[in-house]
Amino acid sequence: DTGVSQDPRHKITKRGQNVTFRCDPISEHNRLYWYRQTLGQGPEFLTYFQNEAQLEKSRLLSDRFSAERPKGSFSTLEIQRTEQGDSAMYLCASSDRARGGSNSGANVLTFGAGSRLTVL
Amino acid sequence: DAKTTQPPSMDCAEGRAANLPCNHSTISGNEYVYWYRQIHSQGPQYIIHGLKNNETNEMASLIITEDRKSSTLILPHATLRDTAVYYCIVRVPLNTGTASKLTFGTGTRLQVTL
Repeated sequence: DTGVSQDPRHKITKRGQNVTFRCDPISEHNRLYWYRQTLGQGPEFLTYFQNEAQLEKSRLLSDRFSAERPKGSFSTLEIQRTEQGDSAMYLCASSDRARGGSNSGANVLTFGAGSRLTVL
Repeated sequence: DAKTTQPPSMDCAEGRAANLPCNHSTISGNEYVYWYRQIHSQGPQYIIHGLKNNETNEMASLIITEDRKSSTLILPHATLRDTAVYYCIVRVPLNTGTASKLTFGTGTRLQVTL
């Protein structure tokens, strides 16, 4: 396993179209996160899965956004009726709850390279 | 999660130590200090973390003050490949309660020069 994979790396679409991004986490990681990053800003949290359960969603995740992780492995992030403001890098990360033990704080996130969305 | 303050940018000559400061004066007793970096066009990369003791790994050293209100990330011999945005994040461990996410600020843009 070489890390977190995201596909596609780049997507250009016209306003109003739907787009879907896929994330394949590290295989033994049960936690998966989606973040969004715009130019000059740090990544912003969107949503989080533990196995197949979506446990937390940011207020940034409008009704046009939906994320799934149907079998607790890969995840998809769909944006419907895209707007120019959706243009950003969409980052996926995964983590292993067990790594380092519960008291070590070593529950670090491993990020993918991201999927860059440009909405024209 | 405690708020952090970092300088927006720093320069460092190649081969010299890069010392990146972070203030986190409102840190709580059970919050860790995490450092990540993001090289251009890549996802963030974990560097190091600590609670109260100084930590060192193959990438960097983390010095946390005794009162835990600030910390310094040290890259002992910076190279051009260390040019990146460095994020200091303070939070409880990721498997604690319902607080699941890392909150990134805008970080410090480190430019390593020849």
